[in-house]
Amino acid sequence: AQSVTQPDIHITVSEGASLELRCNYSYGATPYLFWYVQSPGQGLQLLLKYFSGDTLVQGIKGFEAEFKRSQSSFNLRKPSVHWSDAAEYFCAVGAYNNDMRFGAGTRLTVKP
Amino acid sequence: DARVTQTPRHKVTEMGQEVTMRCQPILGHNTVFWYRQTMMQGLELLAYFRNRAPLDDSGMPKDRFSAEMPDATLATLKIQPSEPRDSAVYFCASGPGTGGNQPQHFGDGTRLSIL
Repeated sequence: AQSVTQPDIHITVSEGASLELRCNYSYGATPYLFWYVQSPGQGLQLLLKYFSGDTLVQGIKGFEAEFKRSQSSFNLRKPSVHWSDAAEYFCAVGAYNNDMRFGAGTRLTVKP
Repeated sequence: DARVTQTPRHKVTEMGQEVTMRCQPILGHNTVFWYRQTMMQGLELLAYFRNRAPLDDSGMPKDRFSAEMPDATLATLKIQPSEPRDSAVYFCASGPGTGGNQPQHFGDGTRLSIL
């Protein structure tokens, strides 16, 4: 079965600084990769997804992620973080005809 | 904008009571998932359904938890009897397609507290 690791439990960045959240997956075939964001008291919201094609995918709220097969990674990036980006971020890997596995999440704190 | 609806949003009850959580998936979505989220364990998949049939409930404690889809517009998760360790936020999510290859749409969760 597929699995996903988010090495960073908590990250703090200053507002306006760039952001990169790490995600590593394990799956024998081509994975379906997702990033979700969870604000307090709410469910998870899809930021972006990768199925195939261009390895750099754009999402909502100015986020992007790059799929690197050689590194089994799907890191999330944003050039300039806003205070409203403070939330928990989940990477997920899915497989056709199977369920989706979520990472443990990375909590992002944004300093003024 | 179509949404997954979960009720109740909050539930506080005493140990030993039956708890029923409900989920209305997005119309047309044929895959429904139940997750439990805690600080210690993170997001855990409890069970999921495709076309109303249970596909995997290996993440669910069988002795006290049960999940059903009486019809395409309603999924339920029941705990009987409830225990303090069941306190968590329970999320329902729905999606099109066969599951892992499609984005899931999450409800806002049921925050359950067992005293």
